Amino acid sequence: NAGVTQTPKFRVLKTGQSMTLLCAQDMNHEYMYWYRQDPGMGLRLIHYSVGEGTTAKGEVPDGYNVSRLKKQNFLLGLESAAPSQTSVYFCAGGTSGLTGELFFGEGSRLTVL
Amino acid sequence: GDSVTQMEGPVTLSEEAFLTINCTYTATGYPSLFWYVQYPGEGLQLLLKATKADDKGSNKGFEATYRKETTSFHLEKGSVQVSDSAVYFCALNSGYSTLTFGKGTMLLVSP
Repeated sequence: NAGVTQTPKFRVLKTGQSMTLLCAQDMNHEYMYWYRQDPGMGLRLIHYSVGEGTTAKGEVPDGYNVSRLKKQNFLLGLESAAPSQTSVYFCAGGTSGLTGELFFGEGSRLTVL
Repeated sequence: GDSVTQMEGPVTLSEEAFLTINCTYTATGYPSLFWYVQYPGEGLQLLLKATKADDKGSNKGFEATYRKETTSFHLEKGSVQVSDSAVYFCALNSGYSTLTFGKGTMLLVSP
């Protein structure tokens, strides 16, 4: 049981390049999330999805796009990377409801030069 | 809107010391409350939770009590170990689609 898996784990980009982070889950979660974690800022929600085919903006969506074509996958795209997007990105899955718990991936460290 | 406030770190303790990490919240209604832990190089994982007032969540020697009157959910452990060194996040869920996290508190335990 892999849980929530993120690929790639590490990536270095040049300013202006594009890339996609993949999150795959085998826990049948309806809800999936992309967060970024920066020193002193805690976790900030980028985008999330409440089901296959749906996406919604979080706290810091600018410069990112997402897609949820299949229930088990949630993709985060950077169309034109900027140094401000250097961060550690975490994907999470969970169920709805007041007692919902999130299950996190191990993170993807992205550096934009 | 919902918000979570945690004490700033790092919290530095010697092994076997008593730990308290304060967490207070602002939320509509009656949220569920969580503590997550992040060990170095890993993602967050749930440590404990409480879903209603006066509930006590506990796990691995950690505990926290849901105090509605003071809107608090402080994390405590009677005797910390070096292996408890990590970042601890308080979070709440008001029944919406997302959790609201605090900024995290780093705990450093020395032998």
